[in-house]
Amino acid sequence: GQQVMQIPQYQHVQEGEDFTTYCNSSTTLSNIQWYKQRPGGHPVFLIQLVKSGEVKKQKRLTFQFGEAKKNSSLHITATQTTDVGTYFCAGGAGNMLTFGGGTRLMVKP
Amino acid sequence: GAVVSQHPSRVICKSGTSVKIECRSLDFQATTMFWYRQFPKQSLMLMATSNEGSKATYEQGVEKDKFLINHASLTLSTLTVTSAHPEDSSFYICSTNRGGNEQFFGPGTRLTVL
Repeated sequence: GQQVMQIPQYQHVQEGEDFTTYCNSSTTLSNIQWYKQRPGGHPVFLIQLVKSGEVKKQKRLTFQFGEAKKNSSLHITATQTTDVGTYFCAGGAGNMLTFGGGTRLMVKP
Repeated sequence: GAVVSQHPSRVICKSGTSVKIECRSLDFQATTMFWYRQFPKQSLMLMATSNEGSKATYEQGVEKDKFLINHASLTLSTLTVTSAHPEDSSFYICSTNRGGNEQFFGPGTRLTVL
């Protein structure tokens, strides 16, 4: 079945440093979605990418979808303490949505 | 505002009892809802897809007789954990997609089985 791997599992950064999480799928995806889950909270949708090579930005967050539509990345520039949480990618194929393992971001003030 | 609500938010029960979790879509009719389980510091694992008016579709390895799903109306799906045991302690989250790809998650239910 479809597998979605995400790295790293954890990342500690100093406030102001950049952060990137990477997502790889075992199969070609129709779309990739990104979610953020704050500690103790539930996942909240951030963005969806659909086109091969697509890049989207949300303020300090940059999302990329690979040319082969099998990988994606989320980059945060100049992290802030409010960025703390776990970032999940989720690969969509047909009616299936498979979540990656998540990257837990911790930001030291 | 919230799109999906879940009740209860927390429940502590004794081993062997059954627990019912409700998931409601607040501002639209959800023909499909999804039930996930999340263990501490782990990812979301899809348990089953709940379809209004028909039987739920369970993922491989999920016991349908233990995790009973009922989707009797377009705004309500329920998950009943029957004869709960400590290993069932987890964070249970429902979601729906409003017909698109984006998932709207409920706030989750934290189940602790003593």
